[in-house]
Amino acid sequence: EAGVAQSPRYKIIEKRQSVAFWCNPISGHATLYWYQQILGQGPKLLIQFQNNGVVDDSQLPKDRFSAERLKGVDSTLKIQPAKLEDSAVYLCASSPGQGRYEQYFGPGTRLTVT
Amino acid sequence: AQKITQTQPGMFVQEKEAVTLDCTYDTSDPSYGLFWYKQPSSGEMIFLIYQGSYDQQNATEGRYSLNFQKARKSANLVISASQLGDSAMYFCAMRLNTGGFKTIFGAGTRLFVKA
Repeated sequence: EAGVAQSPRYKIIEKRQSVAFWCNPISGHATLYWYQQILGQGPKLLIQFQNNGVVDDSQLPKDRFSAERLKGVDSTLKIQPAKLEDSAVYLCASSPGQGRYEQYFGPGTRLTVT
Repeated sequence: AQKITQTQPGMFVQEKEAVTLDCTYDTSDPSYGLFWYKQPSSGEMIFLIYQGSYDQQNATEGRYSLNFQKARKSANLVISASQLGDSAMYFCAMRLNTGGFKTIFGAGTRLFVKA
């Protein structure tokens, strides 16, 4: 079974530019998560989808971050405009659901904002 | 407030010995799940083990076991017979089963396995 796919793997942008990340979860997984992991810290949940709907986005900086999950499969996370403090690894994960909530993570996108 | 605390920033263990990584949690929710994940230097987070708040027995998965003490709100990970490939960051996480079903991660413990 294919794992969680993310692209790009690396991205360097200047502050105030915009950037988008893409995630394709494991087939059949209803729940999709986006995390921000700053160097030396644990992942911080940004947004959680259950199929198409948002379950939790309480820690998403909505003035600059947005995310969508069309058709309950792929998802994109966008930052516009980027700030220096957005430099981090952005992790996408998915869960099987139906009583199983362990998360399977993609390789992440390392974002550097200069 | 919901919180995960991992008090050991770094740990050393001799190859083939057992090691315990500490995790304490704080929540007032009666239903929750506790997870451990491994993050090697390559970066990809790997699920290791899960314990539900209502589970009576401690979870085990191969060389990994979770020492769950509900009254003390601790969920320590025990790795038996450490291998060089166990060197990595280890994260404890909690999923709340009510409200927003939020998942919270601790700051992690870096484990070094010595030959």
